[in-house]
Amino acid sequence: QVQLTESGPGLVHPSETLSLTCTVSGFSLTGYSVYWVRQPSGKGLEWMGRMRYNGDTSYNSALKSRLSISRDTSKNQVFLKMNSLQTDDTGTYYCTRDPRGYYFDYWGQGVMVTVSS
Amino acid sequence: DIVMTQGALPNPVPSGESASITCQSSKSLLYSDGKTYLNWYLQRPGQSPQLLIYWMSTRASGVSDRFSGSGSGTDFTLKISRVEAEDVGVYYCQQFLEFPLTFGSGTKLEIK
Repeated sequence: QVQLTESGPGLVHPSETLSLTCTVSGFSLTGYSVYWVRQPSGKGLEWMGRMRYNGDTSYNSALKSRLSISRDTSKNQVFLKMNSLQTDDTGTYYCTRDPRGYYFDYWGQGVMVTVSS
Repeated sequence: DIVMTQGALPNPVPSGESASITCQSSKSLLYSDGKTYLNWYLQRPGQSPQLLIYWMSTRASGVSDRFSGSGSGTDFTLKISRVEAEDVGVYYCQQFLEFPLTFGSGTKLEIK
C-alpha cells in the first residue's frame, strides 16, 4: 500500500541547515509527484515545494532562497534541505503525494522539528 | 498569491446536526479544462491532514457521503451532514490552480 515516511533530526540550532528525508513505498517517484508541506506549531498549513515525477522542482518563493528538494529514485527517497533556520521554522514537516490529479491523497505522519539553541 | 479565506463555525455543533464551512478564493479556481481546483482536508487532533474532497465536489475514496462539496469559481462550501464525534478537527480548503499552493487558515469543528 502507499506510504510516505518522513525522517530527520528533531532539534536544529538557529542558523543551521535542516535535512529531511521522505521515504515512499507502494508507488514510484517517476510516476507521481511528492510535495513538502509544513505546519508551524498550532498554526495552519504552508506549501514548501515539489519534486515532480519527471525530476523538475518548484518552490514557494517565500522559501526559495533557503530551500532545496532532490531525490534518489533507486532508494525511493525525496530530500528536503533548508538552510539558515530560525525559531519560526519550528513545526511539523509533512511529505505528501499528488496522484497527478492536483490534490494530496496520501500524507506522511509528519516529523516535528524544533529550532532552538 | 491566491488568498484562501475560511469562515468559522458556531461551535459546538450538536451531534446529528449539519455544519457548513465556507471558503473564498481571491481568484477563480475554475480552469480551462472545466475542473475547479479546490480541495478540502480534515486534520483530526494529533493526525496528518486527510483528503476529503477534490476538484470542489468529488469525494475522495473511502470518505463518508455525509461530506459534500459545492461552489462556484471563488466561493465554496463543505457541508457535513449529521455530524459525528469522529468529524472533530480542523478543516482546510486548498487551491491547486497555481503555485504557490495556498491553504485557508482552517476551520475548527467541535461537537456537543
